[in-house]
Order: sequence, then C-alpha cells, then structure tokens
Amino acid sequence: DAGVTQSPTHLIKTRGQHVTLRCSPISGHKSVSWYQQVLGQGPQFIFQYYEKEERGRGNFPDRFSARQFPNYSSELNVNALLLGDSALYLCASSPAGTGYGNQPQHFGDGTRLSIL
Amino acid sequence: SQQGEEDPQALSIQEGENATMNCSYKTSINNLQWYRQNSGRGLVHLILIRSNEREKHSGRLRVTLDTSKKSSSLLITASRAADTASYFCATAVIQGAQKLVFGQGTRLTINP
Repeated sequence: DAGVTQSPTHLIKTRGQHVTLRCSPISGHKSVSWYQQVLGQGPQFIFQYYEKEERGRGNFPDRFSARQFPNYSSELNVNALLLGDSALYLCASSPAGTGYGNQPQHFGDGTRLSIL
Repeated sequence: SQQGEEDPQALSIQEGENATMNCSYKTSINNLQWYRQNSGRGLVHLILIRSNEREKHSGRLRVTLDTSKKSSSLLITASRAADTASYFCATAVIQGAQKLVFGQGTRLTINP
C-alpha cells in the first residue's frame, strides 16, 4: 500500500510569492495534519483537518491556510512568503480525527521549500 | 514553541553498544510517542506509551515514562549502523488543539 505522498519534493520561491503544497494520505485515513520543520529543529504543528473541517491550528500567521478535499487529500497554502518560511513541510495522516493524539501519525517525506 | 527538550542533542556510539536518549516535557499529557527521522526523509513512528504506562518494549526498543518527573527515555539495544538517524519525542497534550508537540531531537550516529 502507498504511504503518504507529498508534492512537489523540492520548491524554490522568492519572497512575496505564494506556494501550494499537496498531500495524499494513506488510503482509508481521514485525518491530515501539516507540520513545519526548520533545519535542526523538531516539527511544529500547523494544522489538522478531519472530514474537510479544521480541527486544530498551531501558532502560525494567517498567511498559512489549508483545506481538505472530499477524497481526504489536502493542500497547504502560504502567501507572502518570507525568508523564515524556508523549511521542510511535512504531512501526516491517521485513520480518525478524534483521539488524534492516541494514534501514530504516518508521515510523508515532505516538501523542501527554499525562499530566496 | 517546543514542548520538550531532548538530551543529549547528539550521541555517537560504536555498533553493538546501547543508546539512551532522554526527553522532558512541560504539560500534562495523554501519551508520549517516539519517532525516527533519517536524513531528508519523513518521520517514522516507533512506539507510543500512554500516560498510565511506565514501560514499553518493541523489538530492540525500550521506552520508559515517568509522569511525576515529566520525562521519558528511549533505549536502543545492540545498535546497528541503520539506527543512525534523528530521534524525536512527541507529546499529545490533554487540552487545546489535537496535535503532537515535538522536542528538538537527538542526532544518533552509529559508528561501524
């Protein structure tokens, strides 16, 4: 079975641009979460979506938004990119939305975003 | 902000030795999870220990949890070169958004 897939794998943007990152969860998984991992740090929670609704949001500015589609795939959008947005963006899926923290999260290999 | 701190930040040992990593956290938790991350890859779930458990084993992995001290440890026995990776603890907090809060990780290097 395919794992969590993310696209693109690498992306280079300039300051002020907009970016869309995509994630397909494991088949049957209805919860998708997004994390930002700056080099040398642990991942930081951005969003969780379940059944197309936002169920959790981390301490990120409104420039960050996301959505989940009927097939449970998800997009993360970042507007007005800043140099500090350079990071590995990870998507994780799990079967259900409730009891989120009690389930192992299955991560994709991420999108490496570089801002010039 | 990061919930926990991991200690040490980096660890280098010889193949066959045991590796111990520690994690401390700040708030009350439902459970604590450990993940491994190979360079440039995503995180792989290793083990989950619930707040009412004190010790858990999975293959060569042993995890302990002390909720009174808000700390956990991960022991990898008989280390192998393939264990070279970064290891993160993550806590699922009781209140607030449903999310995992990760520590900064321990970079483990196994020397052949």
